[in-house]
Amino acid sequence: KNQVEQSPQSLIILEGKNCTLQCNYTVSPFSNLRWYKQDTGRGPVSLTIMTFSENTKSNGRYTATLDADTKQSSLHITASQLSDSASYICVVSRLDSNYQLIWGAGTKLIIKP
Amino acid sequence: IAGITQAPTSQILAAGRRMTLRCTQDMRHNAMYWYRQDLGLGLRLIHYSNTAGTTGKGEVPDGYSVSRANTDDFPLTLASAVPSQTSVYFCASSVERGGYNEQFFGPGTRLTVL
Repeated sequence: KNQVEQSPQSLIILEGKNCTLQCNYTVSPFSNLRWYKQDTGRGPVSLTIMTFSENTKSNGRYTATLDADTKQSSLHITASQLSDSASYICVVSRLDSNYQLIWGAGTKLIIKP
Repeated sequence: IAGITQAPTSQILAAGRRMTLRCTQDMRHNAMYWYRQDLGLGLRLIHYSNTAGTTGKGEVPDGYSVSRANTDDFPLTLASAVPSQTSVYFCASSVERGGYNEQFFGPGTRLTVL
């Protein structure tokens, strides 16, 4: 069954600290993996998209990694800011269906001052 | 307008009533989507449209219908609402970039069915 599992479900860290969010997937055949940021009450916004051949991709203080062999991805946030408080969602696309994405439930991140 | 707009922002609806959620984009994207987001679950695709005039069923299409008369608009209709359709509904559109489709989301409609 095509699934995307994220951990932890929620995380609280102090402003300025780093954190890493995890994503495991069982989606096959794999096409690409995306990380989205969703602020409370808003729609998701794309952070990174990685294909099979990409191991890492950065977007400012956000760095995503992908290990296609173990089917794992991580999102590392450096020097967290209060505005990083949001849900972070891992999403995987299947090679045979570019339009239908498999969404994780997300990690709710809270940054405390 | 720029991007995707959805209306209404929120709605409380009596069970059995008909409701249409509106979605409009001004980016001229060919593909559009409707998702629902429930607590503790990932977004689930309800219906999608690859291009104007065509629609397809997603993961959870029962109780919903869509139409795509033109590129910009993609309304979602609940013919007879039930409480299990209480959810946050997101409309999205996508564009092909580097071999994959990048999706852009509207602000969502929060629907409560009593």
